[in-house]
Amino acid sequence: SQQGEEDPQALSIQEGENATMNCSYKTSINNLQWYRQNSGRGLVHLILIRSNEREKHSGRLRVTLDTSKKSSSLLITASRAADTASYFCATGESDKLIFGTGTRLQVFP
Amino acid sequence: EPEVTQTPSHQVTQMGQEVILRCVPISNHLYFYWYRQILGQKVEFLVSFYNNEISEKSEIFDDQFSVERPDGSNFTLKIRSTKLEDSAMYFCASSGGPLTGNTIYFGEGSWLTVV
Repeated sequence: SQQGEEDPQALSIQEGENATMNCSYKTSINNLQWYRQNSGRGLVHLILIRSNEREKHSGRLRVTLDTSKKSSSLLITASRAADTASYFCATGESDKLIFGTGTRLQVFP
Repeated sequence: EPEVTQTPSHQVTQMGQEVILRCVPISNHLYFYWYRQILGQKVEFLVSFYNNEISEKSEIFDDQFSVERPDGSNFTLKIRSTKLEDSAMYFCASSGGPLTGNTIYFGEGSWLTVV
């Protein structure tokens, strides 16, 4: 099955530092989406990157996609304590998303 | 900004009881979904719904589950006879489909606890 698997599972950094999270998947995709989830809350959509795109930016977020390696990365620059959350990649082929296990990011003030 | 809304936010129910979770997808969206997340586990796909019918469902979505779009705005998930293992956060989601880039937007979720 096509699954996004994030790495690392947990990441702790200081405010102001950059955070990089990686995602690997197994099969061909149409797009890959990144979501944030605060504890016990809903999934907030961050970025969608299409299979023909290599890089995408949104504010302090930068997402890359390497379809040859079946991997994506999410970079959060100049992190803030409010960025503390779990981050998931989700791969989509049809209209179904397959989520990874997520990276728990802790940003210390 | 348009959002997916879900009710109730929390529900506690006894095993064997029927539960209906309600969702109002984003207006003008055409694709609707239910996902669930058991505490501490991955978000799992349950079902997708388009053009008034189920387009895809997972193994989890057995005969105890059903979905309905009773009117032009609501989208519901019914669990006929709840089991302890149905305890989870249930997320409704919607998408405008390919014309809007296939971005899928999620609601805040409904916590279901089966006791």
